Amino acid sequence: QVELLESGGGVVQPGTSLRLSCVASGFIFSDYGMHWVRQAPGKGLEWVAVIWYDGSNKYYGDSVKGRFTISRDNSENTLYLQMNSLSAEDTALYYCARAGVYSSGPANSWGPGTLVTVSS
Amino acid sequence: DMQMTQSPSTLSASVGDRVTITCRASQSINTWLAWYQQKPGKAPKLLIYKASTLESGVPERFSGSGSGTEFTLTISSLQPDDFATYYCQEYSRYSRTFGQGTKVDIK
Repeated sequence: QVELLESGGGVVQPGTSLRLSCVASGFIFSDYGMHWVRQAPGKGLEWVAVIWYDGSNKYYGDSVKGRFTISRDNSENTLYLQMNSLSAEDTALYYCARAGVYSSGPANSWGPGTLVTVSS
Repeated sequence: DMQMTQSPSTLSASVGDRVTITCRASQSINTWLAWYQQKPGKAPKLLIYKASTLESGVPERFSGSGSGTEFTLTISSLQPDDFATYYCQEYSRYSRTFGQGTKVDIK
């Protein structure tokens, strides 16, 4: 079955960087677009970024554009999110989610999330 | 920038009620709209994509409609398992913006 497992979250200071990972299993990772979606404590869902199945296209939400970078290693079935210049507003549970085959559309499988806390 | 606005923000309903949630896009998105359900402490679950196509395994009491800028999610007969927060999401161009969510709670 499809499994997505995020890691790399933790408590970091404002202005620092963090890299999240998401290891995928149970499907052909290189055939699927992938998203990062975050949810601040007690708040709604915020889309962060999407990457095409082959890494050829990447789009970002306005609040992270220029600071975050999405990437993938299809040989390792792993999705990444490099987060720079972190601020308190980036504190959230970060979900990795799978789009459709050769798609960057809706996410039909989600990981449990990894918590990022930005605090001094 | 694309904005997605859901209404209402909170909805109180009883088991058996017909429930309708509205989502409005700030620009036309054709039918590039999805609906998700999220329960506390859980990841979201995809219910509907392309405005009206039911995801596999989702009960038929859920339905979606609309195109352009106005969309609705309808639950024909609310069940105890349906008390949750619902989000719309557009996927039309270079963003994948979510609505702010609609919480469906017990009346």
